[in-house]
Order: sequence, then C-alpha cells, then structure tokens
Amino acid sequence: DAKTTQPNSMESNEEEPVHLPCNHSTISGTDYIHWYRQLPSQGPEYVIHGLTSNVNNRMASLAIAEDRKSSTLILHRATLRDAAVYYCILRDVDNYGQNFVFGPGTRLSVLP
Amino acid sequence: DAGVTQSPTHLIKTRGQQVTLRCSPKSGHDTVSWYQQALGQGPQFIFQYYEEEERQRGNFPDRFSGHQFPNYSSELNVNALLLGDSALYLCASSQTGGKYEQYFGPGTRLTVT
Repeated sequence: DAKTTQPNSMESNEEEPVHLPCNHSTISGTDYIHWYRQLPSQGPEYVIHGLTSNVNNRMASLAIAEDRKSSTLILHRATLRDAAVYYCILRDVDNYGQNFVFGPGTRLSVLP
Repeated sequence: DAGVTQSPTHLIKTRGQQVTLRCSPKSGHDTVSWYQQALGQGPQFIFQYYEEEERQRGNFPDRFSGHQFPNYSSELNVNALLLGDSALYLCASSQTGGKYEQYFGPGTRLTVT
C-alpha cells in the first residue's frame, strides 16, 4: 500500500482557514486521495476525495499537486466542531475490495 | 436513514472469553468492513465482507472471525480474548465493491480485564 505522511498535530484559530498537508510521494496513477476525519468519541467520517483535479464540497476543498505527490485539505473557516483527527488515505480505484489504510493522522485543535 | 449502527456500545469481558459484536450497514450498502482502533492510533483493517463472504483480511489472527447475513448485517467474533484486544471496534459500510467512501458506525468499546 502506498503510504502517506502527515504532521502529528496542527492548531488553528476559529473562523480562520486551515491547510492540512499530506505527502504521498509513492502514489500510483490509479490511487485516489481520500480524507476522513474522526471527531472525539465517534467513528471516522468521509470528508472528500479526488484523483487529479482539485475538488470542492460543502465540507472542504482538496488541492492536489500537479505531480500528485502531495495534497492539501482546506477548511475555509474553522469552527470548534472541526477539532478532530484528520486522516489522508490512498486507495487504488481499480481495486474495489481494497481496504482503507489509516495512519496516525493529524490532530487539529481549534482555538476560540 | 439511521446510518451504520453497532451494538453494543460498550462491553467488558474477561481474558479467555469470547465476544460477538454486531453491525447494521447503511441502507443500500452491501459491503461491510471491520476495523480495530487502539487508543491514540488510527483504525486498523480486520476484514471485509461482501456477498456473505470474507473478501479481504488484514493482519489479524484466526481468533478474529466474522459473518455477513443475507440482509447485509454483520458480526465480528473474537475468541480467547487477550488484554491487547481492548480497543474500539468500528464497522464501516459501503456500496457494491466499496469503490468510494465508507460510512463508519460509532464503534463498540471493548475492554478486556
């Protein structure tokens, strides 16, 4: 499985943008980039995913580097509810049965 | 839509005992995956069930087994419990083949004493 590296922790102020980086230098051409987050005492929840182009949804934006070796999850205005562990995961789009391989993720703290 | 549900919420067992955890997938989903999450770590994949068969398995011993029923719900069984089995057990469901996102339940917190 291709691996990802993320900072252990990050801190942000409420209502400011947050940029969560992820490095995946061994990504293959068929690997989708997925982001999940896990709020305290809950299971992980889907945030966003993409392959090559930048993606936007109601929760966040995903910016993917041109060489696809890194990506950034962007929360446009952090709220206290966004405090969570964020996981960046690669998954082969052609391997339907492939499981998600979670690393330790980035723990995001949001300060009021 | 109730989403993914798991039972029980919490469970305390003694070493050597056996435990069964249950999961009902999100409506319309036919694939169920199980993960183990130790404190302070990311979830670790145990196995995935599709069409009532185990399709893929992570690096877990045979003490961990599962089952998927015709209604797509699933059970995780752990035999001969060890202290190290204490963890949050997460169930995730997805649509056919699990190609895109998985939806996770709130988990079952298992404590082995």
